[in-house]
Amino acid sequence: ETVMTQSPATLSVSPRERATLSCRASQSVNTNLAWYQQKPGQAPRLLIYAASTRATGIPARFSGSGSGTEFTLTISSLQSEDFAVYYCQQYNDWWTFGQGTKVEIK
Amino acid sequence: QLLESGGGLVEPGGSLRLSCAASGFTFSIYAMGWVRQAPGKGLEWVSSISGSGGSGDSYHTDSVRGRFSISRDNSRNTLYLQMNSLRAEDTAVYYCAKHYTTSPNNWFDPWGQGTLVTVSS
Repeated sequence: ETVMTQSPATLSVSPRERATLSCRASQSVNTNLAWYQQKPGQAPRLLIYAASTRATGIPARFSGSGSGTEFTLTISSLQSEDFAVYYCQQYNDWWTFGQGTKVEIK
Repeated sequence: QLLESGGGLVEPGGSLRLSCAASGFTFSIYAMGWVRQAPGKGLEWVSSISGSGGSGDSYHTDSVRGRFSISRDNSRNTLYLQMNSLRAEDTAVYYCAKHYTTSPNNWFDPWGQGTLVTVSS
């Protein structure tokens, strides 16, 4: 099983600042990686797939990068609606999620 | 749109069948899956099934294999998850989600709003 590890667990950021979230795979997943955003009481929403492709309707301030075992989600200028929990998910070898990174207001 | 139903309170060892009614897309050409989230915890993939839903085209995570069974009725645009021998650790919100293609080897989009399953005596 491919284990996904996200860091940090919690990220405190001020509005309009940049946020950088990391996701590491226990073995290579190539670019078979997605990122999701989840707000309290809501279902997850797809942000990024294939490591770096934004899903339909996702603002350009969200960007993904990486390949192999190291991946990054960057939010260039945090807006109030971006404070949420973010999950990475690999789909190279079955399907596994990271434990999530909570982005909170500093 | 995906709308789950069938959740509720069940005793340990009991059974439950979840349903997910799909609309707004051609259901039969997309793989579908179930992902769960225990209270206050992260996301866990549970099961996926290809668009055709053939017997060899379904997948389950180790912790539910042999107890849960995913299936679909393409004539009714509905996905199912039959859950047997339920345990306390199966307590979670269960989300139905659509895969990107007819094969499930990709991401989930969109997701339903979820249905809560509580296993307790």
